[in-house]
Amino acid sequence: NAGVMQNPRHLVRRRGQEARLRCSPMKGHSHVYWYRQLPEEGLKFMVYLQKENIIDESGMPKERFSAEFPKEGPSILRIQQVVRGDSAAYFCASSQAETGAAFFGQGTRLTVV
Amino acid sequence: QKEVEQDPGPLSVPEGAIVSLNCTYSNSAFQYFMWYRQYSRKGPELLMYTYSSGNKEDGRFTAQVDKSSKYISLFIRDSQPSDSATYLCAMSAVNSGYSTLTFGKGTMLLVSP
Repeated sequence: NAGVMQNPRHLVRRRGQEARLRCSPMKGHSHVYWYRQLPEEGLKFMVYLQKENIIDESGMPKERFSAEFPKEGPSILRIQQVVRGDSAAYFCASSQAETGAAFFGQGTRLTVV
Repeated sequence: QKEVEQDPGPLSVPEGAIVSLNCTYSNSAFQYFMWYRQYSRKGPELLMYTYSSGNKEDGRFTAQVDKSSKYISLFIRDSQPSDSATYLCAMSAVNSGYSTLTFGKGTMLLVSP
């Protein structure tokens, strides 16, 4: 039973380019969460999605960031016009129920040069 | 005051020692409490998941929650060098039927052979 799968593991983008991060939840999980981890800081919640719905995006910057979880396929976190401050590790987690334990993927490490 | 406080360490102990890791929090609405282990450049791995106050044991790990004091602990018995990692506490409240996690910054644990 595969865990939460994220790809790519490492992503390098130049300032102004777009970054697309993908996340496939664990089998049977329909709740997906994205978190960001900056150096010397803890994991910060960004967005919570269920299939085809954004439930809570209160932690996601209003501009340049968007997320989706389509009926078919992985969840996507999209960052447009990346800046150096977007460099971080981005983690996806999934859970089976709304209040269930969340299991994390290995993360995507985004570097903006 | 931060919502979740956790001593960053590092905490250095010899192999075989009992380790105590702690977090305090300020939001009395938190009901679900988790401990994650994160190795360097890896994703967080769920160790313990508890609801409300009380103790939970799993192998060498024991989690304690004291909601009256807003204090949670993770004890590791017979610590091993392979336990060397950063330990993250996380907690959530249920709002509108779902929950998202608030993390401490993590405590780095070093177990020497």
